[in-house]
Parts: sequence; structure tokens; C-alpha cells
Amino acid sequence: NAGVMQNPRHLVRRRGQEARLRCSPMKGHSHVYWYRQLPEEGLKFMVYLQKENIIDESGMPKERFSAEFPKEGPSILRIQQVVRGDSAAYFCASSPPGISNYGYTFGSGTRLTVV
Amino acid sequence: KNEVEQSPQNLTAQEGEFITINCSYSVGISALHWLQQHPGGGIVSLFMLSSGKKKHGRLIATINIQEKHSSLHITASHPRDSAVYICAVDPYGGSQGNLIFGKGTKLSVKP
Repeated sequence: NAGVMQNPRHLVRRRGQEARLRCSPMKGHSHVYWYRQLPEEGLKFMVYLQKENIIDESGMPKERFSAEFPKEGPSILRIQQVVRGDSAAYFCASSPPGISNYGYTFGSGTRLTVV
Repeated sequence: KNEVEQSPQNLTAQEGEFITINCSYSVGISALHWLQQHPGGGIVSLFMLSSGKKKHGRLIATINIQEKHSSLHITASHPRDSAVYICAVDPYGGSQGNLIFGKGTKLSVKP
């Protein structure tokens, strides 16, 4: 019973390129959340998605960032025209429709480095 | 002032010691979470609390809703407990998953 799978684990992009981060939720989970952890800072909420719907994107930067969770396949966090300040660890979490007693299940993260 | 404050920021203990990490928050919440993050690793959810106390193995989490305070205790600490422990809250009325996180407590347990 695999947990939340994120790939790639590490991603290096040059400034101006696009970064695509993938998240496959835990089996049976239909809700996905993305968080960003900047170096030496705490975690910050970015977006909450259900299948084919963005529920809350209040934490997403206004430009260059987008997220989707299609009917089939993983959730994708897309960062266009990356800049050095986008270098961070990006974590995905998932949950069933009602939060279980153990809350959210997190993935291992994608470490993005922009050079 | 951050909405979720943790103390201490850093903690060094000897193997076997009893450890307490504190979390105070300033907003109304529907739940509080304790998370564990190993260096370069993923995040593991340890507890979700809305009242009282929970225990899992050597870990105990308590919450006092009136005082807006939670503690994470580790009994008989071990070097493998070395990690960053993060407190996070689900603000009351917020959307699911829109957590507010503390900055974390870095724990190092020496053999």
C-alpha cells in the first residue's frame, strides 16, 4: 500500500525553464495539497485540489505557478520560467474525503534547485 | 508575531532523556498536527489532535484548547528520534489542508 509518491525527488532547472512536479496520492485519497518549504523557512500552504477541481489556491503565487489534478493520473504542480527564488522543497499531501484520525499523509518532497 | 510559535527552536538531549516540545497558537483551530521531518527526508504525520491527549509508542501529544497550547513528549529518547518536529494548525473556518505551520524544533539526541 504505497503512500504518497512524489517525483522527481530532485530537480535542477536553469532560470527561465519550466518545472513540473508530480504527486500521486495515497490509494483511496481524493484530496491533494501542495506546500512549499523555502530554505531556512517554515512550510507554507499553496493549493488544495480535488479531482478536476481547484478548491483553494490562496497560497499560490499569482504568476508562473499552476496546479492541476486531472481525472486520471497524478497531480501536477507547474512552475513556468523558474527563478532562483523558486528553489525550495515542494511537498504534497493527500487525504480521504473526510480527514482521518491521522490527518494528512505527506510525500517525500521534490527538491527544486534553480541554477 | 507568528500565529504558531514553537519552543525551543533547538534541543539537544542525551539518549534516554524525557523530551518536551511546546507549541502555542493564536487562532481558533479545528485541529492541531504534530509532524516529523528527518534531514533531507519526507514529512511524517505523528498526531492529529482536537482535544485531550494521544499516545503512540514513546510519543505523547497533549492539547489545551482554552490555553491554545500543545505539547509533544518523547519518553526514553533515542538517537533515531533526531529530526525536526513541526506543529501545524487547521484554522477554524479555513479550507481543508490550509495549515499554518510553526518553524519547527530541531531535536538532536546524543548516544
